Amino acid sequence: NAGVTQTPKFRILKIGQSMTLQCTQDMNHNYMYWYRQDPGMGLKLIYYSVGAGITDKGEVPNGYNVSRSTTEDFPLRLELAAPSQTSVYFCASSYSGTDTQYFGPGTRLTVL
Amino acid sequence: GQNIDQPTEMTATEGAIVQINCTYQTSGFNGLFWYQQHAGEAPTFLSYNVLDGLEEKGRFSSFLSRSKGYSYLLLKELQMKDSASYLCAPSDDDYKLSFGAGTTVTVRA
Repeated sequence: NAGVTQTPKFRILKIGQSMTLQCTQDMNHNYMYWYRQDPGMGLKLIYYSVGAGITDKGEVPNGYNVSRSTTEDFPLRLELAAPSQTSVYFCASSYSGTDTQYFGPGTRLTVL
Repeated sequence: GQNIDQPTEMTATEGAIVQINCTYQTSGFNGLFWYQQHAGEAPTFLSYNVLDGLEEKGRFSSFLSRSKGYSYLLLKELQMKDSASYLCAPSDDDYKLSFGAGTTVTVRA
């Protein structure tokens, strides 16, 4: 099992550009999550999904969109990149809401 | 929102014991997770408590008091590789995790 994989590992965007952060898990987990982690801060939940076709907002959803068309994939879309979105983005998955979340290696995004 | 409080930094000597405290206030409660995060890496699972009391897993133990909104992570026989950030994460009534800012533990020889 590869677990949770994320691409790209690093990315530099210009203000106003858009991009999609990819996340895939091969553990047949129902739940998937997107977090951002700023220096010295805890992880903040952006969006989450409890199954294919179902998504919901987390604590900091503004500026982001998600979709969940399959169990395996949970892409995160940034439409108009802003410097405030400079962060490390982690995708995670779990079998259920009470189970351990497994994290991907992260995507380090800089918006200039 | 949720409120999670844990110390920012702790330093200890190799072979020693360190206790990381965490207090929390959440909308409902469905257990508390501890994660370890080495610099530049993803968080990895350490422990989960849903009932009051102590859970022991090798050199790591975690304690929970639901009535006090309090947990601690105990690291015994510290090794250099334990230098990392330790994240306290209570689960709310929607089973979403809220993460503290983390406690950076530095182990000195």
